[in-house]
Amino acid sequence: DTGVSQDPRHKITKRGQNVTFRCDPISEHNRLYWYRQTLGQGPEFLTYFQNEAQLEKSRLLSDRFSAERPKGSFSTLEIQRTEQGDSAMYLCASSLMPTDAQYFGPGTRLTVT
Amino acid sequence: QKEVEQNSGPLSVPEGAIASLNCTYSDRGSQSFFWYRQYSGKSPELIMSIYSNGDKEDGRFTAQLNKASQYVSLLIRDSQPSDSATYLCAVRNSGAGSYQLTFGKGTKLSVIP
Repeated sequence: DTGVSQDPRHKITKRGQNVTFRCDPISEHNRLYWYRQTLGQGPEFLTYFQNEAQLEKSRLLSDRFSAERPKGSFSTLEIQRTEQGDSAMYLCASSLMPTDAQYFGPGTRLTVT
Repeated sequence: QKEVEQNSGPLSVPEGAIASLNCTYSDRGSQSFFWYRQYSGKSPELIMSIYSNGDKEDGRFTAQLNKASQYVSLLIRDSQPSDSATYLCAVRNSGAGSYQLTFGKGTKLSVIP
């Protein structure tokens, strides 16, 4: 049973560019979550999917952010027109219904220059 | 605004001692509580979940929950240098259908050999 995987692990981009991250949840986990974490802070919730349905979104998820989970398996998080304030660790987690314990992947560290 | 408060530390304990980590939360309706361990530069790792008032033990870890006081704690017995990490308290929001976790900023634990 492999854990949650995320790709890429590191991304450096220039301000104004678009970036896309991928998350593969633990096999058969039907819930998938995205969080963002900056230095010295706990993770902040962005959005979550149950199967392919996006059921909850944070106000942090501005219109520059979009997430998809087209077939209820892997998910992508896209950030358009990146800003320096987007620099953070982007974490993906998954859980298996009916439990709510969330297991995190290794994260994608984004640096916007 | 749901909040989770933790003492940022650092908390220093000698090897073999008991480390006590505390957390308070504002969402009175919350029913699910989690402790995560996060090593520097790594993603959060789930240690314990607790749902009912009282104590829950797992190896050297004991989670304690008091919903009336809106208080969660984690005890680590026989602390080891490898326990040195930041410990994050997370609370699941009580909103209907919400699986969003709100995290504290974490307590940094240092176990001194």
